[in-house]
Amino acid sequence: KNEVEQSPQNLTAQEGEFITINCSYSVGISALHWLQQHPGGGIVSLFMLSSGKKKHGRLIATINIQEKHSSLHITASHPRDSAVYICAVDKGTYKYIFGTGTRLKVLA
Amino acid sequence: DVKVTQSSRYLVKRTGEKVFLECVQDMDHENMFWYRQDPGLGLRLIYFSYDVKMKEKGDIPEGYSVSREKKERFSLILESASTNQTSMYLCASTPGGDSPLHFGNGTRLTVT
Repeated sequence: KNEVEQSPQNLTAQEGEFITINCSYSVGISALHWLQQHPGGGIVSLFMLSSGKKKHGRLIATINIQEKHSSLHITASHPRDSAVYICAVDKGTYKYIFGTGTRLKVLA
Repeated sequence: DVKVTQSSRYLVKRTGEKVFLECVQDMDHENMFWYRQDPGLGLRLIYFSYDVKMKEKGDIPEGYSVSREKKERFSLILESASTNQTSMYLCASTPGGDSPLHFGNGTRLTVT
Protein backbone atom coordinates (compact mmCIF):
# COMPACT_ATOMS: atom_id res chain seq x y z
CA LYS A 1 0.00 0.00 0.00
CA ASN A 2 1.34 3.43 -0.92
CA GLU A 3 2.05 5.78 1.96
CA VAL A 4 0.23 8.58 0.12
CA GLU A 5 -2.98 7.84 -1.74
CA GLN A 6 -4.92 10.31 -3.84
CA SER A 7 -8.45 10.07 -5.17
CA PRO A 8 -9.79 10.25 -7.71
CA GLN A 9 -7.02 9.48 -10.20
CA ASN A 10 -8.89 11.23 -12.98
CA LEU A 11 -11.63 13.82 -12.82
CA THR A 12 -13.60 15.59 -15.54
CA ALA A 13 -15.79 18.53 -14.56
CA GLN A 14 -17.87 21.17 -16.23
CA GLU A 15 -16.83 24.79 -15.90
CA GLY A 16 -18.23 26.29 -12.73
CA GLU A 17 -18.42 23.05 -10.77
CA PHE A 18 -17.07 22.64 -7.23
CA ILE A 19 -14.21 20.14 -7.22
CA THR A 20 -12.72 18.10 -4.39
CA ILE A 21 -9.50 16.09 -4.55
CA ASN A 22 -8.58 13.89 -1.61
CA CYS A 23 -5.29 12.78 -0.12
CA SER A 24 -4.80 10.17 2.60
CA TYR A 25 -1.48 9.27 4.15
CA SER A 26 -0.31 6.62 6.55
CA VAL A 27 2.87 8.10 8.03
CA GLY A 28 3.71 10.78 10.55
CA ILE A 29 4.30 14.11 8.85
CA SER A 30 5.54 17.59 9.62
CA ALA A 31 3.65 19.18 6.71
CA LEU A 32 1.57 18.38 3.65
CA HIS A 33 1.95 20.09 0.28
CA TRP A 34 -0.47 20.50 -2.61
CA LEU A 35 1.23 20.96 -5.97
CA GLN A 36 -0.04 21.72 -9.46
CA GLN A 37 1.59 20.37 -12.60
CA HIS A 38 0.57 21.73 -15.98
CA PRO A 39 1.19 19.94 -19.30
CA GLY A 40 4.84 20.44 -20.16
CA GLY A 41 5.98 19.46 -16.69
CA GLY A 42 6.58 22.46 -14.45
CA ILE A 43 5.31 22.05 -10.88
CA VAL A 44 4.01 24.91 -8.77
CA SER A 45 3.47 24.79 -5.03
CA LEU A 46 -0.11 25.72 -4.12
CA PHE A 47 -0.25 25.15 -0.37
CA MET A 48 1.81 23.91 2.52
CA LEU A 49 -0.26 22.82 5.54
CA SER A 50 0.49 21.50 8.96
CA SER A 51 -2.98 22.08 10.43
CA GLY A 52 -6.38 23.56 9.70
CA LYS A 53 -7.28 25.27 6.48
CA LYS A 54 -5.77 27.64 3.93
CA LYS A 55 -7.41 29.61 1.14
CA HIS A 56 -5.94 31.27 -1.91
CA GLY A 57 -8.36 32.70 -4.44
CA ARG A 58 -10.68 29.88 -5.56
CA LEU A 59 -8.53 27.20 -3.96
CA ILE A 60 -9.04 25.87 -0.44
CA ALA A 61 -6.93 23.23 1.27
CA THR A 62 -7.79 21.49 4.51
CA ILE A 63 -6.02 18.93 6.64
CA ASN A 64 -7.17 16.67 9.45
CA ILE A 65 -4.07 15.45 11.26
CA GLN A 66 -5.93 12.92 13.43
CA GLU A 67 -7.54 11.27 10.40
CA LYS A 68 -4.41 11.66 8.24
CA HIS A 69 -6.42 13.21 5.46
CA SER A 70 -6.32 16.36 3.36
CA SER A 71 -8.60 17.80 0.71
CA LEU A 72 -8.06 20.34 -2.03
CA HIS A 73 -11.19 22.18 -3.17
CA ILE A 74 -11.60 24.31 -6.26
CA THR A 75 -14.62 26.58 -6.34
CA ALA A 76 -16.12 27.84 -9.62
CA SER A 77 -13.77 25.68 -11.67
CA HIS A 78 -12.40 26.99 -14.94
CA PRO A 79 -10.70 25.30 -17.92
CA ARG A 80 -7.41 26.91 -16.89
CA ASP A 81 -7.58 24.79 -13.70
CA SER A 82 -6.97 21.71 -15.88
CA ALA A 83 -3.76 20.17 -14.57
CA VAL A 84 -2.42 17.34 -12.46
CA TYR A 85 -2.74 17.99 -8.74
CA ILE A 86 -0.20 16.26 -6.53
CA CYS A 87 -0.27 15.72 -2.79
CA ALA A 88 3.10 15.39 -1.06
CA VAL A 89 3.88 14.77 2.61
CA ASP A 90 7.01 15.90 4.40
CA LYS A 91 8.17 13.22 6.84
CA GLY A 92 10.80 15.58 8.14
CA THR A 93 14.48 15.85 7.24
CA TYR A 94 13.34 16.67 3.69
CA LYS A 95 11.92 13.21 3.05
CA TYR A 96 8.98 14.00 0.81
CA ILE A 97 6.60 11.29 -0.36
CA PHE A 98 4.48 12.14 -3.37
CA GLY A 99 1.09 10.85 -4.43
CA THR A 100 0.62 9.76 -8.02
CA GLY A 101 -1.54 12.78 -8.79
CA THR A 102 -5.10 13.57 -9.81
CA ARG A 103 -5.55 14.52 -13.44
CA LEU A 104 -8.26 17.19 -13.65
CA LYS A 105 -9.91 18.30 -16.86
CA VAL A 106 -12.40 21.16 -16.75
CA LEU A 107 -14.59 21.49 -19.81
CA ALA A 108 -15.89 24.84 -21.04
CA ASP B 1 10.06 35.02 -7.23
CA VAL B 2 12.31 32.02 -6.82
CA LYS B 3 13.55 30.68 -10.08
CA VAL B 4 14.77 27.13 -10.57
CA THR B 5 16.16 26.66 -14.05
CA GLN B 6 16.86 23.35 -15.71
CA SER B 7 19.19 23.62 -18.67
CA SER B 8 17.18 21.54 -21.15
CA ARG B 9 13.47 20.84 -21.63
CA TYR B 10 14.05 17.88 -23.95
CA LEU B 11 17.08 15.65 -24.45
CA VAL B 12 17.63 12.61 -26.63
CA LYS B 13 20.69 10.51 -25.88
CA ARG B 14 22.04 7.16 -26.97
CA THR B 15 22.55 4.15 -24.71
CA GLY B 16 25.95 4.31 -23.05
CA GLU B 17 26.38 8.08 -23.32
CA LYS B 18 27.29 10.15 -20.29
CA VAL B 19 24.51 12.66 -19.65
CA PHE B 20 24.60 15.84 -17.59
CA LEU B 21 21.42 17.51 -16.34
CA GLU B 22 21.97 20.94 -14.86
CA CYS B 23 19.86 22.82 -12.33
CA VAL B 24 20.41 26.36 -11.09
CA GLN B 25 18.44 28.24 -8.41
CA ASP B 26 18.72 31.94 -7.73
CA MET B 27 17.56 32.24 -4.11
CA ASP B 28 20.50 30.93 -2.11
CA HIS B 29 18.62 27.79 -1.03
CA GLU B 30 20.62 25.24 0.96
CA ASN B 31 18.59 22.23 -0.11
CA MET B 32 18.33 20.91 -3.63
CA PHE B 33 16.78 17.72 -4.99
CA TRP B 34 16.67 15.61 -8.13
CA TYR B 35 13.52 13.57 -8.79
CA ARG B 36 12.33 11.43 -11.63
CA GLN B 37 8.69 11.16 -12.58
CA ASP B 38 7.24 8.17 -14.42
CA PRO B 39 3.62 7.46 -15.39
CA GLY B 40 1.66 5.86 -12.56
CA LEU B 41 4.38 6.56 -10.02
CA GLY B 42 4.82 9.55 -7.76
CA LEU B 43 7.98 11.59 -7.93
CA ARG B 44 10.88 9.52 -6.68
CA LEU B 45 13.96 11.01 -5.09
CA ILE B 46 17.27 10.26 -6.79
CA TYR B 47 19.62 12.46 -4.74
CA PHE B 48 19.39 15.29 -2.25
CA SER B 49 21.98 17.92 -1.34
CA TYR B 50 21.79 20.02 1.83
CA ASP B 51 24.94 22.08 1.27
CA VAL B 52 27.83 22.58 -1.11
CA LYS B 53 29.67 19.30 -1.69
CA MET B 54 27.17 17.47 0.55
CA LYS B 55 24.82 14.86 -0.87
CA GLU B 56 22.60 12.02 0.23
CA LYS B 57 21.23 9.13 -1.75
CA GLY B 58 17.52 9.07 -2.28
CA ASP B 59 15.30 6.11 -3.05
CA ILE B 60 16.66 5.31 -6.53
CA PRO B 61 20.31 6.45 -6.83
CA GLU B 62 21.55 3.51 -8.88
CA GLY B 63 23.00 4.61 -12.21
CA TYR B 64 23.16 8.26 -11.16
CA SER B 65 25.62 10.57 -9.47
CA VAL B 66 25.45 14.24 -8.53
CA SER B 67 27.70 17.22 -8.12
CA ARG B 68 27.25 20.37 -6.08
CA GLU B 69 30.35 22.52 -6.32
CA LYS B 70 28.47 25.81 -5.90
CA LYS B 71 25.42 26.53 -3.79
CA GLU B 72 23.24 27.56 -6.70
CA ARG B 73 24.01 24.62 -9.00
CA PHE B 74 23.11 20.95 -8.61
CA SER B 75 24.01 18.60 -11.44
CA LEU B 76 22.68 15.12 -12.11
CA ILE B 77 24.95 12.77 -14.01
CA LEU B 78 23.97 9.58 -15.77
CA GLU B 79 27.29 7.78 -16.04
CA SER B 80 26.19 5.44 -18.81
CA ALA B 81 22.65 6.13 -19.98
CA SER B 82 20.28 3.21 -20.35
CA THR B 83 16.81 2.98 -21.85
CA ASN B 84 15.24 2.50 -18.41
CA GLN B 85 16.44 5.99 -17.53
CA THR B 86 14.04 7.48 -20.07
CA SER B 87 11.93 9.70 -17.85
CA MET B 88 10.98 13.22 -16.77
CA TYR B 89 13.61 14.66 -14.44
CA LEU B 90 12.66 17.42 -12.04
CA CYS B 91 14.95 19.56 -9.92
CA ALA B 92 13.67 21.30 -6.79
CA SER B 93 15.04 23.56 -4.08
CA THR B 94 13.96 24.88 -0.70
CA PRO B 95 15.56 26.90 2.09
CA GLY B 96 13.96 24.49 4.56
CA GLY B 97 11.80 25.12 7.60
CA ASP B 98 8.29 26.24 6.74
CA SER B 99 9.09 26.94 3.12
CA PRO B 100 7.63 25.17 0.10
CA LEU B 101 9.50 23.30 -2.59
CA HIS B 102 10.30 25.23 -5.76
CA PHE B 103 10.52 23.15 -8.93
CA GLY B 104 12.16 23.62 -12.29
CA ASN B 105 10.22 23.00 -15.49
CA GLY B 106 11.62 19.51 -15.91
CA THR B 107 13.80 17.78 -18.47
CA ARG B 108 12.24 15.04 -20.54
CA LEU B 109 15.06 12.63 -21.31
CA THR B 110 14.77 9.93 -23.93
CA VAL B 111 17.49 7.28 -24.15
CA THR B 112 17.47 5.28 -27.37
